[in-house]
Amino acid sequence: GQNIDQPTEMTATEGAIVQINCTYQTSGFNGLFWYQQHAGEAPTFLSYNVLDGLEEKGRFSSFLSRSKGYSYLLLKELQMKDSASYLCAVREPPNKLIFGTGTLLAVQP
Amino acid sequence: GAVVSQHPSRVICKSGTSVKIECRSLDFQATTMFWYRQFPKKSLMLMATSNEGSKATYEQGVEKDKFLINHASLTLSTLTVTSAHPEDSSFYICSARVDGPRQETQYFGPGTRLLVL
Repeated sequence: GQNIDQPTEMTATEGAIVQINCTYQTSGFNGLFWYQQHAGEAPTFLSYNVLDGLEEKGRFSSFLSRSKGYSYLLLKELQMKDSASYLCAVREPPNKLIFGTGTLLAVQP
Repeated sequence: GAVVSQHPSRVICKSGTSVKIECRSLDFQATTMFWYRQFPKKSLMLMATSNEGSKATYEQGVEKDKFLINHASLTLSTLTVTSAHPEDSSFYICSARVDGPRQETQYFGPGTRLLVL
């Protein structure tokens, strides 16, 4: 079966660093995506990992360990506008995206 | 580039009526489009995969006769919620897949909020 888990909610302080974890068990694997979604809006792409290791993109980094079925999204220098839901999604072959439960991040002053 | 639009953005309808939602890829051709449903404070649930010129592939538990999907061209897919009921009220989001080696291969539309009274 498919199982993609994330913490439901997290709170962090402006300027700090936060790590959002994602564990997955899927029938196939063709890459892992992180999306940001503000309430009432469509998800926007943040990062993509298909090989083990860290991908860095400005204030956002994403890590993948395929053997452990584990990924995390790291957000640095948090800003108030980073308050949103963060969705982990696994792409099953050939192109089906299966989304995790989502993590609602609240950034406080 | 890679813009996906949805219409309407919001719709309110009476129970028993049918509602059609359009998903368009504006500046690229999409052989595959996906339809998702999202309930409040929940993640996106894949409903079906829509392939141009062929029948849609529905996920387990999604009624194909209730959620009719048509992918008549490379830039347009439609989702029709037939005989809508209050429990069908949700946020419906489509995405379109771009062929090629790009890492971001799915682009999402802005979503359609459906309220069935």
